[in-house]
Amino acid sequence: AQSVSQHNHHVILSEAASLELGCNYSYGGTVNLFWYVQYPGQHLQLLLKYFSGDPLVKGIKGFEAEFIKSKFSFNLRKPSVQWSDTAEYFCAVKAGGFKTIFGAGTRLFVKA
Amino acid sequence: GAGVSQTPSNKVTEKGKYVELRCDPISGHTALYWYRQSLGQGPEFLIYFQGTGAADDSGLPNDRFFAVRPEGSVSTLKIQRTERGDSAVYLCASSLAAADTQYFGPGTRLTVL
Repeated sequence: AQSVSQHNHHVILSEAASLELGCNYSYGGTVNLFWYVQYPGQHLQLLLKYFSGDPLVKGIKGFEAEFIKSKFSFNLRKPSVQWSDTAEYFCAVKAGGFKTIFGAGTRLFVKA
Repeated sequence: GAGVSQTPSNKVTEKGKYVELRCDPISGHTALYWYRQSLGQGPEFLIYFQGTGAADDSGLPNDRFFAVRPEGSVSTLKIQRTERGDSAVYLCASSLAAADTQYFGPGTRLTVL
């Protein structure tokens, strides 16, 4: 069965620190990969997505993610976080159909 | 323009009762998804509609769960004989087409006592 694993459930950083959130998936075929974010009190929204082409994908608010096919990974990065990045981040995979599989999420808290 | 809306925002019911949760997708979006999110988990896929038809209902946990989208717009998720384990946030998302970005609604928090 397809699955998505997010390595950290909670991350606490100080402002200006660099961020990397890990995501690994299990599926051997072609995949579409996503990172979603949910800010406190708001809806889930798309941060970035990878369908094909350049494996380094840039999203909104300075976030980027790198697809490494050999490692089945799609890690999210940001060079310098801000207090406003405090949110929950979800990695998701769509593989071979209509179903999108989400990871359990990582709660990020950025200290001002 | 308006985003995806869901009603009610909160629903408290008793074990064994029937509930209906409604989703109004973004106008013109042909694809509609239902997800369930339990505490501490990511959204779990339930069902996908393309137009009026359920193209993939493999995520529905059992036959107590049913969803319809009769006119290809509004969708209703129906849960019969609710159980305490059904308590969760039920999310709806829509997209222009199956391969496009999904836009999520605020969810309906269902509590079964």
